[in-house]
Amino acid sequence: AAGVIQSPRHLIKEKRETATLKCYPIPRHDTVYWYQQGPGQDPQFLISFYEKMQSDKGSIPDRFSAQQFSDYHSELNMSSLELGDSALYFCASSLRSFGWEAFFGQGTRLTVV
Amino acid sequence: GQQLNQSPQSMFIQEGEDVSMNCTSSSIFNTWLWYKQDPGEGPVLLIALYKAGELTSNGRLTAQFGITRKDSFLNISASIPSDVGIYFCAGQTSGTYKYIFGTGTRLKVLA
Repeated sequence: AAGVIQSPRHLIKEKRETATLKCYPIPRHDTVYWYQQGPGQDPQFLISFYEKMQSDKGSIPDRFSAQQFSDYHSELNMSSLELGDSALYFCASSLRSFGWEAFFGQGTRLTVV
Repeated sequence: GQQLNQSPQSMFIQEGEDVSMNCTSSSIFNTWLWYKQDPGEGPVLLIALYKAGELTSNGRLTAQFGITRKDSFLNISASIPSDVGIYFCAGQTSGTYKYIFGTGTRLKVLA
């Protein structure tokens, strides 16, 4: 079965640079979530989209923005990167009308140097 | 903000033993999900719970949605070495489009 696809898997950026992370949800899923997970931490909710509209927002820095496109894929844009942004970034998707079960991608490991 | 406390934080068990872990909160949740995460990988969904009191099994795993809707439990029977990993609960409240994650339980199985 198709899963959530994230790209790239690994990304190395310098401080103050910009990064774009991409997420391709499971086909027909209408909700996308973004999470940030630091070393030894639990995943922290950043933002979610339902039917291409922002639906919920967590502790997402103002330097970050995200959107969901017409084909339901989503992108997380991160500007003015800081060392503390180094983390695993996960995308998950769910189908609202089918139990809200959220399935996660393999993640993007962002390292800011 | 909402917090989900998981216990125990970590546990070492012998292969073949049963394992229990729980997740508690001061908030009421409508949905509970349980995940297993291996290092550097994405969380893998194990069990989903939707109703208070619901008991659901998935192979050797059994999870329950607490009656108060503020807690959930996960049991693993006859543990095997591949059960090693971090187990997270995640809860969703009505009207929200987000899951709040618990603090995780790190499981280590001794062969």
